[in-house]
Amino acid sequence: EAQVTQNPRYLITVTGKKLTVTCSQNMNHEYMSWYRQDPGLGLRQIYYSMNVEVTDKGDVPEGYKVSRKEKRNFPLILESPSPNQTSLYFCASSLSQTGVGGYEQYFGPGTRLTVT
Amino acid sequence: AQKITQTQPGMFVQEKEAVTLDCTYDTSDQSYGLFWYKQPSSGEMIFLIYQGSYDEQNATEGRYSLNFQKARKSANLVISASQLGDSAMYFCAMREAQGGSEKLVFGKGTKLTVNP
Repeated sequence: EAQVTQNPRYLITVTGKKLTVTCSQNMNHEYMSWYRQDPGLGLRQIYYSMNVEVTDKGDVPEGYKVSRKEKRNFPLILESPSPNQTSLYFCASSLSQTGVGGYEQYFGPGTRLTVT
Repeated sequence: AQKITQTQPGMFVQEKEAVTLDCTYDTSDQSYGLFWYKQPSSGEMIFLIYQGSYDEQNATEGRYSLNFQKARKSANLVISASQLGDSAMYFCAMREAQGGSEKLVFGKGTKLTVNP
């Protein structure tokens, strides 16, 4: 089954304790992305990756790191989480076509993170 | 500047009636894509429909159609014959390709409630 998986689905942690949220896709997609969703703000892009070893900042990258060592995996790293990073996080992937493109993004189930 | 605007925080519709969810966008690109996603209360993001900037015909997918008015920069979602299961948050998104990178920008969403 084609899917994007994220782990963990729920996480409660404390300020400053490094954490990683994993994301994996089995569709051989080139493009992967992380979003955070906050009430009233919709989804905002954190980082994205066009391919292996190619990553770039989205609209809200501060406090986050990513890596893309393999095509299927795109972990999100919070080196020193803070309460303002409490949010619902989504990983997504798609085929990539610069310019005219219609490839939908497949979303993972989401990770609800609480930082106290 | 906000690139995707959804002016209706909440909408109500009677079961079996049609409803239009508004979306306007802002871009100077000639090549872009517009998406609609549904997010039910369970939280997952479900792709509904896509419209490319060069597509001459409005996109349709089952009960969903996209009313694309390029000159007005609007991409409204029309849901025909509403069902109770259509109650959800709906997000409009725009895919931009600039300088070899691609970004997906979301609106803040519209909460649709279908009444029996």
